[in-house]
Amino acid sequence: GPKVLQIPSHQIIDMGQMVTLNCDPVSNHLYFYWYKQILGQQMEFLVNFYNGKVMEKSKLFKDQFSVERPDGSYFTLKIQPTALEDSAVYFCASSLRGGSNERLFFGHGTKLSVL
Amino acid sequence: AQKVTQTQTSISVVEKTTVTMDCVYETRDSSYFLFWYKQTASGEIVFLIRQDSYKKENATVGHYSLNFQKPKSSIGLIITATQIEDSAVYFCAMREGWTGNTGKLIFGLGTTLQVQP
Repeated sequence: GPKVLQIPSHQIIDMGQMVTLNCDPVSNHLYFYWYKQILGQQMEFLVNFYNGKVMEKSKLFKDQFSVERPDGSYFTLKIQPTALEDSAVYFCASSLRGGSNERLFFGHGTKLSVL
Repeated sequence: AQKVTQTQTSISVVEKTTVTMDCVYETRDSSYFLFWYKQTASGEIVFLIRQDSYKKENATVGHYSLNFQKPKSSIGLIITATQIEDSAVYFCAMREGWTGNTGKLIFGLGTTLQVQP
């Protein structure tokens, strides 16, 4: 079936540095999402992106976070600067439509370790 | 407040039997959608089945079915004739609203299912 690819699968960086997580969504999908999962906790919504804009973001989406999808390339999550509490697995997802009944297609996740 | 609760941390069953995983949710919205996703050992998260709040009949897809009890805010997942490859973490999730909602999916903590030979 359709696949969402996330690159890299694991990223280790020092606190205070910048990191960019990359997501290659399903090719004809128009809605993109990032979710964050800290070990042992629920997967939590970060942000939703459509037509070049952030549609909704949660309180977890701090000022240090930004998303973009320049010219239909990767959908990226940038964290600058990183903090220890940013260590988590970040899941990218995409969907064709934005309705609440729409299923999401998820990537395998990027494990971010901030030291 | 929106919340999804899965109280079963892990379940172990023998293959070819039926298993039920519990999920209760909280919402103030009159229209909402309930999903079950599965996360395999490789990390892949796969959509399994969906229940629309306005539908009375329980959804069924293959050997997955739902036990939707709206008055109890409960949406159990039933897997019949379990197979070894059903071993995974199962997430219950909820999404509110219809066209106005912009994508926030509320997840439970997940239930780990182990199917033994």
